[in-house]
Amino acid sequence: EPEVTQTPSHQVTQMGQEVILRCVPISNHLYFYWYRQILGQKVEFLVSFYNNEISEKSEIFDDQFSVERPDGSNFTLKIRSTKLEDSAMYFCASSPWSPYEQYFGPGTRLTVT
Amino acid sequence: AQKVTQAQTEISVVEKEDVTLDCVYETRDTTYYLFWYKQPPSGELVFLIRRNSFDEQNEISGRYSWNFQKSTSSFNFTITASQVVDSAVYFCALSEAGGSSNTGKLIFGQGTTLQVKP
Repeated sequence: EPEVTQTPSHQVTQMGQEVILRCVPISNHLYFYWYRQILGQKVEFLVSFYNNEISEKSEIFDDQFSVERPDGSNFTLKIRSTKLEDSAMYFCASSPWSPYEQYFGPGTRLTVT
Repeated sequence: AQKVTQAQTEISVVEKEDVTLDCVYETRDTTYYLFWYKQPPSGELVFLIRRNSFDEQNEISGRYSWNFQKSTSSFNFTITASQVVDSAVYFCALSEAGGSSNTGKLIFGQGTTLQVKP
């Protein structure tokens, strides 16, 4: 069964460093998303991406964040200058159309020290 | 404003008990979708069910059942004869489908942690 994959599973970085989280959505899906979950809290929407552009972003998704689909398979989230409060689990999700159930990757745990 | 409320933070039951997880939502859209996701201790998010706002028919899937009531803006989830493997955090989520909101973003509730003891 097709699934969303994410790399790395765990990333440790120092405050102020740039990180890139990578996702490979399900191949025939058209809508892509990033969410984050701070430990013990709810899942929060960051950004949605369709037709090679951002379709919606949340207040969390400020100028430090960017997304890209550099080729036909990868979907990346970049944080330019990480802060301690960026420590969280980041989930990538994809769906074939919108709105529809989204299929989530296993997540990348980002730890900023 | 769109909002999902799961008032039950934690529920603990003994195996084979039935348990209902509550979900109340707020939206101004007349067209929307409701979802339940399961997050086991391993951390991934597993899709359980999707319901659209025009379909109030209750659904049953094995030991799982869902009760959607637009009159009370609720979408409750019942597990019958709970098992230890049901122990997880369960999230209810809302996606609005009207007009410019049709990006598919999910608004999650705070989640309910279910512990099923043997």
